[in-house]
Amino acid sequence: ILNVEQSPQSLHVQEGDSTNFTCSFPSSNFYALHWYRWETAKSPEALFVMTLNGDEKKKGRISATLNTKEGYSYLYIKGSQPEDSATYLCALNTGGFKTIFGAGTRLFVKA
Amino acid sequence: DADVTQTPRNRITKTGKRIMLECSQTKGHDRMYWYRQDPGLGLRLIYYSFDVKDINKGEISDGYSVSRQAQAKFSLSLESAIPNQTALYFCATSDNSGQYNEQFFGPGTRLTVL
Repeated sequence: ILNVEQSPQSLHVQEGDSTNFTCSFPSSNFYALHWYRWETAKSPEALFVMTLNGDEKKKGRISATLNTKEGYSYLYIKGSQPEDSATYLCALNTGGFKTIFGAGTRLFVKA
Repeated sequence: DADVTQTPRNRITKTGKRIMLECSQTKGHDRMYWYRQDPGLGLRLIYYSFDVKDINKGEISDGYSVSRQAQAKFSLSLESAIPNQTALYFCATSDNSGQYNEQFFGPGTRLTVL
């Protein structure tokens, strides 16, 4: 059974802190990796799709890196703001439509 | 307007009742999915459909059924709800021409079975 692990499960930071969390996956099954941002009571929304070893993607204060050889991706948030509070999901696409989701990292940013 | 909508957003029901959750999309995507989310677990696939009247079981289809009578609509039914079906249910769509299967989600339906 393929497993996508995210750590930590939850994270509390102060406004202005920078933070990062991890998504681990079996490297032999990699085709693409998605990061989604899910605010409570709203739809999860795509942040990044990452496909190549060494990929780095950035959107504003949020960035992500990918290491397909060792099977992990990091998501970084620089200068966290309260509006960054959300659950961040990573999802491994193993080819075609099959997608395996991690349980998410829930981020709380205190003003 | 949201591209993927789900109704109802919240539902409380009793054991043994039949429940239907509706999903509609305006993205024009052929692929649609139903997932359930439980605390501490990743989204798990219940059923998926690649076209009208195409139905495929996901990893946890027991106790559920689906219907895809139109491209824009995909409904999920619980024929006889039981308490361990209490969960957050997401509908999602994707474009079958997309290389990496990026999915677009509805806001979820929170179902409680008493």
